[in-house]
Amino acid sequence: DAGVIQSPRHEVTEMGQEVTLRCKPISGHDYLFWYRQTMMRGLELLIYFNNNVPIDDSGMPEDRFSAKMPNASFSTLKIQPSEPRDSAVYFCASSSGTGKETQYFGPGTRLLVL
Amino acid sequence: KNEVEQSPQNLTAQEGEFITINCSYSVGISALHWLQQHPGGGIVSLFMLSSGKKKHGRLIATINIQEKHSSLHITASHPRDSAVYICAVSSNTGNQFYFGTGTSLTVIP
Repeated sequence: DAGVIQSPRHEVTEMGQEVTLRCKPISGHDYLFWYRQTMMRGLELLIYFNNNVPIDDSGMPEDRFSAKMPNASFSTLKIQPSEPRDSAVYFCASSSGTGKETQYFGPGTRLLVL
Repeated sequence: KNEVEQSPQNLTAQEGEFITINCSYSVGISALHWLQQHPGGGIVSLFMLSSGKKKHGRLIATINIQEKHSSLHITASHPRDSAVYICAVSSNTGNQFYFGTGTSLTVIP
């Protein structure tokens, strides 16, 4: 299996622009997680899905952030409009079982908002 | 107050030394995870445990549920063990995950 795939790996954009991050989980995994990592706050869980349904989005910082999972093999995290404080590494992870099992992380998307 | 506290924040060791990283948490948990993040940024899940001890190669993870404490041990440390080690817990109420701030380990040849 190719593991969790994220794209793009790097994104540089200007403040106010829309940013879309993409994730393909491991086939057969029914949980998908979006995380953000910054130097100041470390790793934070933004949202997670079970069987394509958002279960907990309490970590999403504000309305500028939205996430979708239209099918079992694809999810997006969108920021509109983007702000410099959104600059971070965004990780996607997937797991099977109860959702509290071992998670497999993607390589991350490094986002810089100027 | 952070729900998950790690110590030390930074650790430098000589190759071959035995290393211990500690994690304490304040919430009820269903599982505790140890993650490894290499300088390149990729994150790997090392262990998930809810009781007792797990071993994988030179890495050993233990957890004491009563004391709300876990340790990650590395035996015969090697420079390739240099990474940030992150402790995370999944709450047993609701759907919350909590993360420690990580321990940055450098192993010197």
